[in-house]
Amino acid sequence: DQQVKQNSPSLSVQEGRISILNCDYTNSMFDYFLWYKKYPAEGPTFLISISSIKDKNEDGRFTVFLNKSAKHLSLHIVPSQPGDSAVYFCAASANSGNTPLVFGKGTRLSVIA
Amino acid sequence: DSGVTQTPKHLITATGQRVTLRCSPRSGDLSVYWYQQSLDQGLQFLIQYYNGEERAKGNILERFSAQQFPDLHSELNLSSLELGDSALYFCASSPTPYPGTGEQETQYFGPGTRLLVL
Repeated sequence: DQQVKQNSPSLSVQEGRISILNCDYTNSMFDYFLWYKKYPAEGPTFLISISSIKDKNEDGRFTVFLNKSAKHLSLHIVPSQPGDSAVYFCAASANSGNTPLVFGKGTRLSVIA
Repeated sequence: DSGVTQTPKHLITATGQRVTLRCSPRSGDLSVYWYQQSLDQGLQFLIQYYNGEERAKGNILERFSAQQFPDLHSELNLSSLELGDSALYFCASSPTPYPGTGEQETQYFGPGTRLLVL
C-alpha cells in the first residue's frame, strides 16, 4: 500500500512557464513533507520542505503548497528552466519528522527550451 | 557533491552470492540511512544507524544486514542474492537522529551503488 503517491510519472513544460508537480498521501499521521530532486547518476538532493503547521513555503522559484484536508501537496516551479529537468520525489515523515521518510515513485520533469 | 561517498559505483554478481556495499557519511554526520530503489519504484527505506546503533528499520529483508562502525562509515551486506535484488542502493547521512525535521536538517544522499544480479 503506497502511502505517498505521485500519479504523474512524467511532465513536460516549456521554459519560462510554470511546472506543477503533485503528490498525494494517505497516512494522516504525516506532518512533515519534503521534495527531493534527482539528476541521472546522482543521488537525490533536498529541494524544499513544509511542516503541517503551514500551508505554503517558498524558496526562490520553488513553492510548496500543502492541503491537509485533501492530503495533497504540490511543488510549483516558476519560471521553469532547462536545468530543472530531473526526477522529483515527494517524501513524508510523521511525528514531527521523527519517523523514516516515505518516498513517492517520482515524477520526471522535462523543461523544453 | 553531497559529501557522502559510496563504493563501489557498480556491482555485477550472480544469484546466491553475497556482496558488501560501503558508505562514508558527510564529515560530522552521525546518522546513516540505506535505501533501495528498484525499477519504477520510489526509494524504499531499509535501515538507519545513529552513532553506531540501529535506530530505525524499514522493509529490510532478513538476507540483508547493516552496521555502522566507530569511524561512522556503514556497510550494507546483501546475501543469498536473488534477481529481484537488482536495484540502486543509496546511502544518506544527516547530523541528527531525526530523518527530516527542520528545514536545514535533511538527509544528504550519496551517488548510489547500482547492483545487478544475473
